[in-house]
Amino acid sequence: ETGVTQSPTHLIKTRGQQVTLRCSSQSGHNTVSWYQQALGQGPQFIFQYYREEENGRGNFPPRFSGLQFPNYSSELNVNALELDDSALYLCASSLPTSAPYNEQFFGPGTRLTVL
Amino acid sequence: QKEVEQNSGPLSVPEGAIASLNCTYSDRGSQSFFWYRQYSGKSPELIMFIYSNGDKEDGRFTAQLNKASQYVSLLIRDSQPSDSATYLCAVNTGRRALTFGSGTRLQVQP
Repeated sequence: ETGVTQSPTHLIKTRGQQVTLRCSSQSGHNTVSWYQQALGQGPQFIFQYYREEENGRGNFPPRFSGLQFPNYSSELNVNALELDDSALYLCASSLPTSAPYNEQFFGPGTRLTVL
Repeated sequence: QKEVEQNSGPLSVPEGAIASLNCTYSDRGSQSFFWYRQYSGKSPELIMFIYSNGDKEDGRFTAQLNKASQYVSLLIRDSQPSDSATYLCAVNTGRRALTFGSGTRLQVQP
C-alpha cells in the first residue's frame, strides 16, 4: 500500500510570488485535505477535496486555492505570497465515511519559506 | 477560548513511567477525537482515535473520553525515550476538518 506523498520537500519563494504544492493520496483514498502548520502550532485546516470538488474550507483567503484530479491527487496553489505563509504544508488523505470517525493520514509535508 | 486546548509542556517523565496527556475541547457537537504524534521536523502520525465515552486501549496507549466534561486524554504506559515527541489532540465536529490543539511536548528521560 502506497502512503501519502508530497512534493516538493522544501521550497523557498519571495513575497508576492506564486507557489504550487502537490500531493498524491494513499491508495484507495479519494478525499484529500490540506493543512498549514506554523512553527509551534497545530495544523490548521485549509480545505478538503472529494471527487474533484471542494468539500469544505477553513478560514483562509481566496488566494489559497486547490484542485483535485481524477486520480485523486491534489494541488494547493497560493498566490501573492506573504511572509506569514511560511509554514509546513500538510496533505492528508482519507476515505469518505458516514462513520463517527474519519481517519486522516498525513504526508511528509512541504516546508515553504517566504523571504 | 481556543476550540481545542492542550498544555504545551514540556511534560517530562522518567523511562518506564506512565505519561498522561490531556486535551479539552469547546464544541459539544464534537463527534470523534484523535491523537497524533509528531517528531520534530516530521509530519503528524496517527496513534489512535476514540468516539465513545470511556477507555480505548491499543498496546501501550490508552485513550480516554469524557464527553460530559469535554475532555480527552492519552495515557502512555512504560514510556520510552522514543516516545519523546509532540502529541497533537484533534477533534472532528462532524464537518470535514480536523481541529487541532497546539500540542504537548513529551520528554521521556532515560
